[in-house]
Amino acid sequence: QKEVEQDPGPLSVPEGAIVSLNCTYSNSAFQYFMWYRQYSRKGPELLMYTYSSGNKEDGRFTAQVDKSSKYISLFIRDSQPSDSATYLCAMRDNDYKLSFGAGTTVTVRA
Amino acid sequence: GAVVSQHPSWVICKSGTSVKIECRSLDFQATTMFWYRQFPKQSLMLMATSNEGSKATYEQGVEKDKFLINHASLTLSTLTVTSAHPEDSSFYICSAYGASTRNEQFFGPGTRLTVL
Repeated sequence: QKEVEQDPGPLSVPEGAIVSLNCTYSNSAFQYFMWYRQYSRKGPELLMYTYSSGNKEDGRFTAQVDKSSKYISLFIRDSQPSDSATYLCAMRDNDYKLSFGAGTTVTVRA
Repeated sequence: GAVVSQHPSWVICKSGTSVKIECRSLDFQATTMFWYRQFPKQSLMLMATSNEGSKATYEQGVEKDKFLINHASLTLSTLTVTSAHPEDSSFYICSAYGASTRNEQFFGPGTRLTVL
């Protein structure tokens, strides 16, 4: 079993729809949870960063962490074609080494 | 956000040759840099952790004599792929963090290596 599970998709939605992404994990020591966006042939870009359980909102993006269920989510409201990318969840404990999910490829259709 | 650069952005080399990839933190001092490898449609796999002034720590299954890492300054780490073979063809990405990044990692744009 992988330490971090993420459905690779692909996920295709019409412009304006809500994109819902999620990951599950097995290591209860993880305390820091991140979502990265990666465009083709580019390095990952940090989107959201959450410590422990709870919700965090930044513009059209909302990140949720439920440590009791070992489940994290990212929601993108009013999706735009420019949101088309691969979204990677990542998490770590105090060791600073990140464990990544497989990434979900999202296409927002105009 | 903090900026990390990589050079070159892509490289093609012949089998058996060595290739050096540079990772630089442009606007902060990086106490630690990480090197990842990413195959097509797969996630990032950590290869090694590099702390300034000390030897790199390699992940299980990564050959340290094949992937030489040097972190000689707080703004530069290099990865040298020695005696490259076609199976080493991949997308290599570095990340860096330091006190000013609140210890969160920022990623470089990646280097695409193709070994013929």
